[in-house]
Amino acid sequence: GENVEQHPSTLSVQEGDSAVIKCTYSDSASNYFPWYKQELGKRPQLIIDIRSNVGEKKDQRIAVTLNKTAKHFSLHITETQPEDSAVYFCAARGGAGRRALTFGSGTRLQVQP
Amino acid sequence: DAGVIQSPRHEVTEMGQEVTLRCKPISGHDYLFWYRQTMMRGLELLIYFNNNVPIDDSGMPEDRFSAKMPNASFSTLKIQPSEPRDSAVYFCASSSTGANTEAFFGQGTRLTVV
Repeated sequence: GENVEQHPSTLSVQEGDSAVIKCTYSDSASNYFPWYKQELGKRPQLIIDIRSNVGEKKDQRIAVTLNKTAKHFSLHITETQPEDSAVYFCAARGGAGRRALTFGSGTRLQVQP
Repeated sequence: DAGVIQSPRHEVTEMGQEVTLRCKPISGHDYLFWYRQTMMRGLELLIYFNNNVPIDDSGMPEDRFSAKMPNASFSTLKIQPSEPRDSAVYFCASSSTGANTEAFFGQGTRLTVV
């Protein structure tokens, strides 16, 4: 089955700096790659996603890039703010009709004011 | 829509007792997922349904766990008998087959088995 690895496990940045989180996946048939943000005690919520026919997607301060050849994708957050502090999860959905997401292990992002 | 609704939000039970977690997916969604979240293992898929039919239950830890979806608006995850290692946050999520395939999560049930 699909295996998703995520790095780093923790990331501390100064407010205003950029943050980058990287993930790799194993199933070359995977075609959908969402990123979820989870605040303490809350549910995971989608912040951005990308499909396999697109190399990059941007939404204000957040961008995601996908390299299908290398089977890795990354989340980029620019001009970080204290409210960006949370745990971020990448995920991948395999092909062949498989609908469930396989999640990475999460990155705890701390933005220092 | 109120989103995915789970109950109870918190459950504390003694080892050996039966526990039932409940989920109401978003109306119109035809996929329902049960995930378990722990510090050690992260977010793990337990089982998922399509149109009320279980599609993949390979993530269900053992026979103590069972899940049902008797209709499009309700699903249960049952643990019998419960053990301390079952302590975790259990999330239900739902999505649709359409163009927007985002999975929406419920608030989760925090289960503590003592």
